[in-house]
Parts: sequence; structure tokens; C-alpha cells
Amino acid sequence: NAGVTQTPKFQVLKTGQSMTLQCAQDMNHNSMYWYRQDPGMGLRLIYYSASEGTTDKGEVPNGYNVSRLNKREFSLRLESAAPSQTSVYFCASSEALDSFGITDTQYFGPGTRLTVL
Amino acid sequence: AQSVTQLGSHVSVSEGALVLLRCNYSSSVPPYLFWYVQYPNQGLQLLLKYTSAATLVKGINGFEAEFKKSETSFHLTKPSAHMSDAAEYFCAVSALKNTGNQFYFGTGTSLTVIP
Repeated sequence: NAGVTQTPKFQVLKTGQSMTLQCAQDMNHNSMYWYRQDPGMGLRLIYYSASEGTTDKGEVPNGYNVSRLNKREFSLRLESAAPSQTSVYFCASSEALDSFGITDTQYFGPGTRLTVL
Repeated sequence: AQSVTQLGSHVSVSEGALVLLRCNYSSSVPPYLFWYVQYPNQGLQLLLKYTSAATLVKGINGFEAEFKKSETSFHLTKPSAHMSDAAEYFCAVSALKNTGNQFYFGTGTSLTVIP
């Protein structure tokens, strides 16, 4: 099993350009997440998808859109990139821990390093 | 409101010394707690988790953490540091709120191991 895969690994954009970050998991997990990691700020949730067909905003959704294409794939789109979106982006997936739907262990992809000039 | 606080963004220990990384949480309901490790240029991987069973949780690579409800803490320890433990460590909390399940990461603690 590959786990969680992300493409591309690196990307450089100019301000105003658009791009889509791809994420796929092969663990049959229901929930998927997009985070950004910035120095001194830990991981901040951008969007998540609790199950196929649903998406919800996280802590920092502005400037991003997501698509849960199917159970395996969850993409993150930057419509008009800004320098403030320079970051490392991580995709993760998980199952629910219990009947309350509490998130269990999240499995992370290797990340995408994005630079916006 | 901050749900997870990691005290000390950088911790240095000598090889063979005790590792102690601090994590405090704020939650009005019993949370589930996690410690993740991130090696350079990699994603995060789970070290251990607390899910309301035993309060002392053992994880991989000799790490353990103790859930102390009275102190709202979940500190990570390892008796003897190894060079390979140098990494970034994140505490995370998963808890039910009015809006549903929420999952938060702390800001991370960078561990340096001095030979």
C-alpha cells in the first residue's frame, strides 16, 4: 500500500496563477484533510472532507477550494495564488475512532512545497 | 481559543538524557490526544495516542506519554535520547464540540539531540 500520495512534490508559481494539488489514499478511509504548515504555526486545517460527497471549511480556507472527487481522491485548488500561500501543504486521511465520529489517527502524505513569487 | 499548547518551541538534550516535551490541552470534554513526529522533509507519523483507556500510553521508538486530567496535560517522555530522535514533535487533540468533531495540532517542538 502506498498510503497517502501527493503530487506534485514541489511547485513554483507566479502571483495570480492557479494550480491544483492532488491527493490520493489507498486505505479506504472516509475522511480526508488538507493542512498547511508554516514555521512557528504548526499545522493549520484548510478544508476537510468527513466522507465522500461532503467538504467543510477548516481554520484557514480563504483562497482555496477543494473537491472530493471520490472516496480515494481529495484535491486542493488555488485559483489565484498569492505570496501568502507559500507554504508546505499536507494531505491526510483517517477513519472515525468511535460511534461519535471522533477522528482517529491521521495518516499524512509527504507534502507539497509551494512557493508563490 | 487555543486547544493545544506546546511549551517550548525548541528543546535540546544530550544523547542518553531524558526527553520531556510538554503538551497542555483545553477541552471541556474528555479529549483524545495524539503525539506525532515529523522528520525533515517528511510528513507526520503517529508516535502514540490516548483514547480514554490506560492513562500511561506507550508508543513507538521508546516514547511514552501520560494523560493527567487534573493538569490537562499529555507530556511526551523518553528515558534516553538517541540521535535519531532529532525531529519536530506535534501534540494534537481530537474532541467533540458543538459544531462536531474538531482536530487541532499544537505549534510543534523541535528536538535537538547533542552528541
